[in-house]
Amino acid sequence: EAQVTQNPRYLITVTGKKLTVTCSQNMNHEYMSWYRQDPGLGLRQIYYSMNVEVTDKGDVPEGYKVSRKEKRNFPLILESPSPNQTSLYFCASSFKAAASTYEQYFGPGTRLTVT
Amino acid sequence: AQSVTQLDSQVPVFEEAPVELRCNYSSSVSVYLFWYVQYPNQGLQLLLKYLSGSTLVKGINGFEAEFNKSQTSFHLRKPSVHISDTAEYFCAVISYGGSQGNLIFGKGTKLSVKP
Repeated sequence: EAQVTQNPRYLITVTGKKLTVTCSQNMNHEYMSWYRQDPGLGLRQIYYSMNVEVTDKGDVPEGYKVSRKEKRNFPLILESPSPNQTSLYFCASSFKAAASTYEQYFGPGTRLTVT
Repeated sequence: AQSVTQLDSQVPVFEEAPVELRCNYSSSVSVYLFWYVQYPNQGLQLLLKYLSGSTLVKGINGFEAEFNKSQTSFHLRKPSVHISDTAEYFCAVISYGGSQGNLIFGKGTKLSVKP
């Protein structure tokens, strides 16, 4: 089944304790992205990757890191989480940009709470 | 810069009534437009998209949207809603030929269908 998977789905942690949220897709997509969703703010892009070893900042990159060493994986790293990073996080992927499709496929989300 | 405005944060409606969820965008270049739906406790999935051609676009679950370039709008409609349509709906835009990283979402409209 074609899908985007995220782990963990739920995470409660404390301020300053490094964590990684994994994202993996099995569709051979070149493009991957991370978003955070907050009430009243919709989805805001954190980072994206156009291909292996190619990443770029989105609208809200502060406090996050990413890496793209393999095509299928795009982990999101919080080196020193803070309470303002409490949010619902989504990973998404899509085929290389083409005129026929810009559809992004979303993972199920990771709910992160930082105390 | 692009932006997306969803004019209603919440839309309550009775079952079998028609509904319109409004979306306006601003962009200095041509755009592709999308509506995504998020059911409770799930990720986002594509409802429909406008890339080119006919301005009336039909999507899944009986939804349709009309692209109006002069009014820079892409309103979503359904002639008769069901309880199962209760969800949050997001309008999104990406500039034509732009970096696929720049998918901009609106803040969402929560559709609540009451029996």
